[in-house]
Amino acid sequence: EVQLVQSGAEVKKPGEFLKISCKGSGYIFTNYWIGWVRQMPEKGLEWIGIIYPDDSDTRYSPSFQGQATISADKSINTAYLQWTSLEASDTAMYYCARHLRPGGEMYDAFDIWGQGTMVTVSS
Amino acid sequence: SYELTQPPSVSVSPGQTASITCSGDKLGNKYAHWYQQKPGQSPAVVIYQDKKRPSGIPERFSGSNSGNTATLTISGTQAMDEADYYCQAWDGSTVVFGGGTRLTVL
Repeated sequence: EVQLVQSGAEVKKPGEFLKISCKGSGYIFTNYWIGWVRQMPEKGLEWIGIIYPDDSDTRYSPSFQGQATISADKSINTAYLQWTSLEASDTAMYYCARHLRPGGEMYDAFDIWGQGTMVTVSS
Repeated sequence: SYELTQPPSVSVSPGQTASITCSGDKLGNKYAHWYQQKPGQSPAVVIYQDKKRPSGIPERFSGSNSGNTATLTISGTQAMDEADYYCQAWDGSTVVFGGGTRLTVL
């Protein structure tokens, strides 16, 4: 079964570091772009960025550039999203999702989604 | 930056046809994709590349894309179709989502 399994919910304080994960299985992890999406409470989907695990080529939404960092460890089929200094406004559900089409071209939908990681930032 | 605009809400009676639009500059020149999200669940693709249905998606879901508007159509809408729907397109190497449309089946 093709799936993405994300790490569990996190409760952090402002200024803290956080790294959440997304582990792929059931397919060749290095061949598919993995994207990250934010959904703030009761709000819509916002695209954060995307990574190609084979060579760690990474692209960011202009809105999120410098706000969070996307990385991947292809040896363990895992992508990451990290913050060095969290803010209350980072409170949201975060999803990883696999680009439907393998390879470098980016034009397709995201067909496999993780279950989401809820991040709560509060003092 | 590129923007996709959706109506915030659409209402439909059971068994009727629901149409959800997504507008963007020359959207017809790009692929439009559609996601369904039910409360407490992750989004799921229901239409990709304008009009293709993933396996397991009922035939009542269909899509079109021309000019500046992509449309998701649900024929014979059922209560289980009540959800938020998002359109998505690529602008270069950037993903853009529409603001989402809440479909209410009255």
